[in-house]
Amino acid sequence: SQQGEEDPQALSIQEGENATMNCSYKTSINNLQWYRQNSGRGLVHLILIRSNEREKHSGRLRVTLDTSKKSSSLLITASRAADTASYFCATGFYGNNRLAFGKGNQVVVIP
Amino acid sequence: EPEVTQTPSHQVTQMGQEVILRCVPISNHLYFYWYRQILGQKVEFLVSFYNNEISEKSEIFDDQFSVERPDGSNFTLKIRSTKLEDSAMYFCASSGRRGSNTEAFFGQGTRLTVV
Repeated sequence: SQQGEEDPQALSIQEGENATMNCSYKTSINNLQWYRQNSGRGLVHLILIRSNEREKHSGRLRVTLDTSKKSSSLLITASRAADTASYFCATGFYGNNRLAFGKGNQVVVIP
Repeated sequence: EPEVTQTPSHQVTQMGQEVILRCVPISNHLYFYWYRQILGQKVEFLVSFYNNEISEKSEIFDDQFSVERPDGSNFTLKIRSTKLEDSAMYFCASSGRRGSNTEAFFGQGTRLTVV
C-alpha cells in the first residue's frame, strides 16, 4: 500500500503546548503534504515537503521528512484552541496525480 | 481568496438512484480531482481530470461513476445507481499544475447518504 499512516490518532493538549504528529509510508514518494480538516469542513493544505527536502517551516508549523525511515512529522508550536482539527498526511508519487491519504490525527487544544 | 465550491453540502438518496455531485474548481486551474472519505476511514482518490478527459482513476472508480466538465466552470461526479456503500463524504479538488507535486485546493465536501 502507498498510503500514509499517522500516529498517534488522537491528541489532547493544553493551549500553548506543542503538538507532534507522525506519518509513515511504505513506498518511494515524490512529496508529502499535510492537510487540516476542521469538523465538517473541507481539507485545507498546510505544507508540502519534497522528497529531497528534510525540513520545512511555515509559521508555527514544522515538518520533517526522513525518506530512509519513510516517515514524516508535523509539529505545531504554541498551539491555540483554533488548531483543534484533524490533521492528515498525504503522499504524492512520481508519474501520477493522485494523493494517498492517511486516516488522520484528531488534535484537541484545550483553552 | 479563490476557493473550490461544492453543492449540495448534503444529499440523501435512495439506493439505485442516480446522483450528481457538483463542483466549481478555482477558475484558472487546469486539473480536477474527486476524492471520497467513508466515515471513519481514509480519504481515497477516485479520479483526476485534465483537458476534458480522465487522466487517472482508481479501482474504486468503476462503471457506475463518471465525471464531466459540461461548461467552463463546473466539474461533476455522477453515480449512476447508488449503493449503500457509496455513502461517504465526496471532496472535489483542483490544482494549477500537473502532478501531485503541487498544492491541491479542496472543497468543503458533499456528504452523500444512500438509504
